[in-house]
Formats: sequence, structure tokens, C-alpha cells
Amino acid sequence: EAGVAQSPRYKIIEKRQSVAFWCNPISGHATLYWYQQILGQGPKLLIQFQNNGVVDDSQLPKDRFSAERLKGVDSTLKIQPAKLEDSAVYLCASSPRRGEETQYFGPGTRLLVL
Amino acid sequence: AQRVTQPEKLLSVFKGAPVELKCNYSYSGSPELFWYVQYSRQRLQLLLRHISRESIKGFTADLNKGETSFHLKKPFAQEEDSAMYYCALRTGRRALTFGSGTRLQVQP
Repeated sequence: EAGVAQSPRYKIIEKRQSVAFWCNPISGHATLYWYQQILGQGPKLLIQFQNNGVVDDSQLPKDRFSAERLKGVDSTLKIQPAKLEDSAVYLCASSPRRGEETQYFGPGTRLLVL
Repeated sequence: AQRVTQPEKLLSVFKGAPVELKCNYSYSGSPELFWYVQYSRQRLQLLLRHISRESIKGFTADLNKGETSFHLKKPFAQEEDSAMYYCALRTGRRALTFGSGTRLQVQP
């Protein structure tokens, strides 16, 4: 079974630029999560999708971050414009259904904002 | 709001020594607790969950509701246990709330 795929793996941009990350969850997984992991901290949820609907985006900085999961499969997370404090690893995870204990994580995208 | 605290950023032990990674949580209800692990150059993955009451790779963790703790233990550490360990909490059907992690170094 293929795991969660993310791209790109690394991205360097200047502040005020835009950036987008892509996630392909495990086939058949209904729930998809985006986490932000700042250096020295644990992952923090940004947004949770159930199929193509948003379940929880309470911690998403909506003035600059946006995410979508069209067709309930792949997902894209966008930052526009980026700030220095957005430098982090962005992790995508999926689980078969909402409330399923096991979340399967992707390799992450490491973003550096200069 | 729920919170997970892992007081140690780094725990260094010798091979064969016992290991205890501390995790405390704050939540007034009945949470689900997990330990996730990230080995070098690998993805974050589930190690164990409290509801299973299982032992994985020799590790166990007991939920102590009185002390609001979920410490991870192993009687004899192995070099391959060296990794980053994250304690996580989930309430209801929400996503996970992670602690800041503890790096375990097992020296030969």
C-alpha cells in the first residue's frame, strides 16, 4: 500500500511570496489533515477535511492560509503572502475515517521563508 | 483547551538501561492518548495507543487519570530505540494535539 505523498519536499521563498503544497493521501482514506511543525515543537493542526468538507479549521490563519480538497482526494495548502514565522515543516496525514485512531503521515514539506 | 506536556527535550541513556519518557496532559474529560515516534529520516508513525493496552517493540504506557499522565516505558533500551517521541491526545473525533516531543538517545 502506497503511503501519503507530499510535494515538494523542500521549498525556499522570500517573505511576501506565495507557495503551495500538495498532498495525496492513502487511497480510500476519507479524512485528511494538514499540520504545521515549527522547529522544536510538535505538529499543530491547521485544517481537517472529511472527504471534501472542512471539519476543523479553527487554527488556520485564514488571512494568509487556504486549503482545499476538491473531489475528496488530493489536497492543496497555500500560503499567500508568506511571513518569516511560516518557516516550518508542513505535514499531511490521512486516516480511513474521522475518529480513526491511526493517522498515516507523509514525509512533510520543509519551508524556509527568507 | 487540551494540552500535552513533555517536560524533557532530550533523554540520554545507555543500552540496557530502563527508559521512561514523561507525558502529562490537561483535559477535563476522557481523552484518548497515543505515542507517535519518528526515527531518523523516516515519517512520523504511531507507536501505541492507550486503549489497546499493548506492548510495541517492548514499550508500554499506562494512562493514569489521577495524575493525568501517560508515560512511555521500556525496561531495557536498545540503540534502535533512538528517535523522537511525541505524546498526543485526542478528544472526541477531533484531530491530535501533540506535545513538543522528547529525543531519546540510546548510547552503546
